Amino acid sequence: GAGVSQTPSNKVTEKGKYVELRCDPISGHTALYWYRQSLGQGPEFLIYFQGTGAADDSGLPNDRFFAVRPEGSVSTLKIQRTERGDSAVYLCASSLRGGRAAIEAFFGQGTRLTVV
Amino acid sequence: AQSVAQPEDQVNVAEGNPLTVKCTYSVSGNPYLFWYVQYPNRGLQFLLKYITGDNLVKGSYGFEAEFNKSQTSFHLKKPSALVSDSALYFCAVSSSRTGNQFYFGTGTSLTVIP
Repeated sequence: GAGVSQTPSNKVTEKGKYVELRCDPISGHTALYWYRQSLGQGPEFLIYFQGTGAADDSGLPNDRFFAVRPEGSVSTLKIQRTERGDSAVYLCASSLRGGRAAIEAFFGQGTRLTVV
Repeated sequence: AQSVAQPEDQVNVAEGNPLTVKCTYSVSGNPYLFWYVQYPNRGLQFLLKYITGDNLVKGSYGFEAEFNKSQTSFHLKKPSALVSDSALYFCAVSSSRTGNQFYFGTGTSLTVIP
């Protein structure tokens, strides 16, 4: 597709359950980012991939959060033992390249996660 | 530490009037500055960026922004506001030392009044 695609668009889960959020970046974009946006806040950085490897995961809040990008394209953000505080919109973005290059990122529409 | 401040949660402007959405930043290294817009139920859309060169940057939909190094600001401007410009605007910064991370402000809600 032409843009970054995220599925599902909405996810409601019970506290303690496991969830997976999927991101399909723009074709040819080597850099992929996950952000989390809480109500009334700006996006907060979670993790950055350059190719298949997580180049920077300093934004992951704790070890319940994990992300993979096994083939350097699609990425999955995984959250174990979900808590109500995990409720937010999870945004994925991709760019042609990352690292020290100042390249704009293109964002998907996000997955709204609600933990009840 | 890298940070972005958007001092105004809400900006109201009459249609046809000029608009300004303010942004100040703090970074280590050379700043790379971005503006994104978010419409309801839609993802963040890139508007414009400053990397180097001319301090006045022109972007999409008639928006422009001025980089001011001494004031560490990157205010978004448009000479004549449209009702369709009503949206949430985010300023973001990365730097020559942390290029892979974007730090976002808390956003400014712009309402253009017909």
